[in-house]
Amino acid sequence: SSELTQPPSVSVSPGQTARITCSGAALPKQYAYWYQQKPGQAPVLVIYKDTERPSGIPERFSGSSSGTIVTLTISGVQAQDEADYYCQSANSSDNWVFGGGTKLTVL
Amino acid sequence: QVQLVQSGSELKKPGASVKVSCKASGYTFTNYAINWVRQAPGQGLEWMGWINTDTGDPMYVQGFTGRFVFSLDTSVSTAYLQIYSLKAEDTAIYYCARGSGDAAFDYWGQGTLVTVSS
Repeated sequence: SSELTQPPSVSVSPGQTARITCSGAALPKQYAYWYQQKPGQAPVLVIYKDTERPSGIPERFSGSSSGTIVTLTISGVQAQDEADYYCQSANSSDNWVFGGGTKLTVL
Repeated sequence: QVQLVQSGSELKKPGASVKVSCKASGYTFTNYAINWVRQAPGQGLEWMGWINTDTGDPMYVQGFTGRFVFSLDTSVSTAYLQIYSLKAEDTAIYYCARGSGDAAFDYWGQGTLVTVSS
């Protein structure tokens, strides 16, 4: 079992807001990162250090943190956002861990 | 531009070994760590460990000790993952990813599918 817990799936209609949560005991002390993985492709970093967005990532992707829960928010979801999303953080041993992943379906 | 290009798919028999390469370009290779991540079929991402590209020191996560070896050839900006005594459960896509400190894994290779089957 993962030290970071994500919902297996989230579904939204185009144009709506998708929120994907990730919970973990170490999150108040460690940054979280989010990756998008489309079928047959490598993961892509979409959020780092809880809230920062790498260059080239659309502004509709944002991150937030509150205690033991971090959230990836995708505003104005588009069909191309359909993918698996993984959170990542460091555990108490300073090892990287990934959440189990959330499949975002755009209805 | 930063690129990590991995070697192609491999089909191996149980008990054999495999060596996956990850060639970096577009940055100073020894300034960033290389991480290795496994993704079993239909499963999530699993961090295997990392190698310090400046010192060559590897760090393996529990579960990836013994049969898994990270190495480097800095003269060609390439990292390697070698797996010995392959088992069917090693069948997976293996990714290398650049470790960028606070930006975590900012660039990834395209992945290498290793299939272990008799």
